[in-house]
Amino acid sequence: GAGVSQSPRYKVAKRGQDVALRCDPISGHVSLFWYQQALGQGPEFLTYFQNEAQLDKSGLPSDRFFAERPEGSVSTLKIQRTQQEDSAVYLCASSLNEGAPQGYTFGSGTRLTVV
Amino acid sequence: GDSVTQMEGPVTLSEEAFLTINCTYTATGYPSLFWYVQYPGEGLQLLLKATKADDKGSNKGFEATYRKETTSFHLEKGSVQVSDSAVYFCALNTNAGKSTFGDGTTLTVKP
Repeated sequence: GAGVSQSPRYKVAKRGQDVALRCDPISGHVSLFWYQQALGQGPEFLTYFQNEAQLDKSGLPSDRFFAERPEGSVSTLKIQRTQQEDSAVYLCASSLNEGAPQGYTFGSGTRLTVV
Repeated sequence: GDSVTQMEGPVTLSEEAFLTINCTYTATGYPSLFWYVQYPGEGLQLLLKATKADDKGSNKGFEATYRKETTSFHLEKGSVQVSDSAVYFCALNTNAGKSTFGDGTTLTVKP
């Protein structure tokens, strides 16, 4: 596609529900990243995929967070048993090159509100 | 660990004023440095980048020079426009992929 597409754009979840957030990167982009952005702050790294391999998941805040990219294209970030502190904008980014040395192309994000 | 410190906002300027947004960093190794911009209602966009010391990144009239000696990457523009109103994020990348971002600086330009 022309850009990085994320869905849904907005998600409201009741505390304890599971959610799944989808990211469609730019076609052919090798690297895919997930970031979490709290209100008034910069993005915080969650995880990084190179093709289908998850090379770094050091930023996932707990074992309730899980990400996958099974075919090296679309990725899903899953949050189990959502908590209020999970409320944030979740950003997906992709890059043509391994490691994104030239920077990222970001999607518009999914705003998650846990009530 | 790696960190990025940005000038606190908000910053309010009149059209055609000179802009500086300060950014300093702490990193192990030799990072690449970036400025991203987020216009109202939109996602983050890469504005400019520099990959080694003394490189100058530039785009849309904005410039930033990678200063290793002062660990800085300040964003400048000689004459801002109302359309430059946005949130600006400084970022660095040292590891394969992972980037560290500052907290953003909100710029408002008034006509």
